[in-house]
Amino acid sequence: DQQVKQNSPSLSVQEGRISILNCDYTNSMFDYFLWYKKYPAEGPTFLISISSIKDKNEDGRFTVFLNKSAKHLSLHIVPSQPGDSAVYFCAARGNYGQNFVFGPGTRLSVLP
Amino acid sequence: NAGVTQTPKFRILKIGQSMTLQCTQDMNHNYMYWYRQDPGMGLKLIYYSVGAGITDKGEVPNGYNVSRSTTEDFPLRLELAAPSQTSVYFCASMRRGIEQYFGPGTRLTVT
Repeated sequence: DQQVKQNSPSLSVQEGRISILNCDYTNSMFDYFLWYKKYPAEGPTFLISISSIKDKNEDGRFTVFLNKSAKHLSLHIVPSQPGDSAVYFCAARGNYGQNFVFGPGTRLSVLP
Repeated sequence: NAGVTQTPKFRILKIGQSMTLQCTQDMNHNYMYWYRQDPGMGLKLIYYSVGAGITDKGEVPNGYNVSRSTTEDFPLRLELAAPSQTSVYFCASMRRGIEQYFGPGTRLTVT
């Protein structure tokens, strides 16, 4: 019973174009949503977050959109660069801010 | 700052053996976490701690034990290794809030 879902295991995008990674969740009690990036043989690193009371948060090339009514969020990367090639995890904070639920990840490949 | 460090990086265990995965953070973070990542899956929470002396179970705690005697260290103990525990284990810490800092992981194989 996955509370956080990333239905696309992989995505390929041309360099310079937009990458859109999607995430769906089932628990309406989550109060923060996060995106982590992971390179092979390394731990995940925090990328960007959004509070459940917002619908957009932007940080440089990265923008996260939240649609609470649809229980859906997306990460937009513009423009995509080859160094963005990694696995991206969507995560949600629950349980009174003490722990987090992660999705299965989407592998992004940015082609030169 | 070294951040979050994990040892060992790799380990092969025989079924029934025991081992401790070490995790240390030098950021004075209150919160620490252990996750496992199986192929094609997200990170599953094993145990977490909100401070020295306080630990709690996550989603998949069976077969594991933890202790938190200091702020810096959060070791994970496997008592009777089973093939189902073959995975990559990540330790993470967080001061307060939402951003977790992860270690590089320990790749464990149980045969």
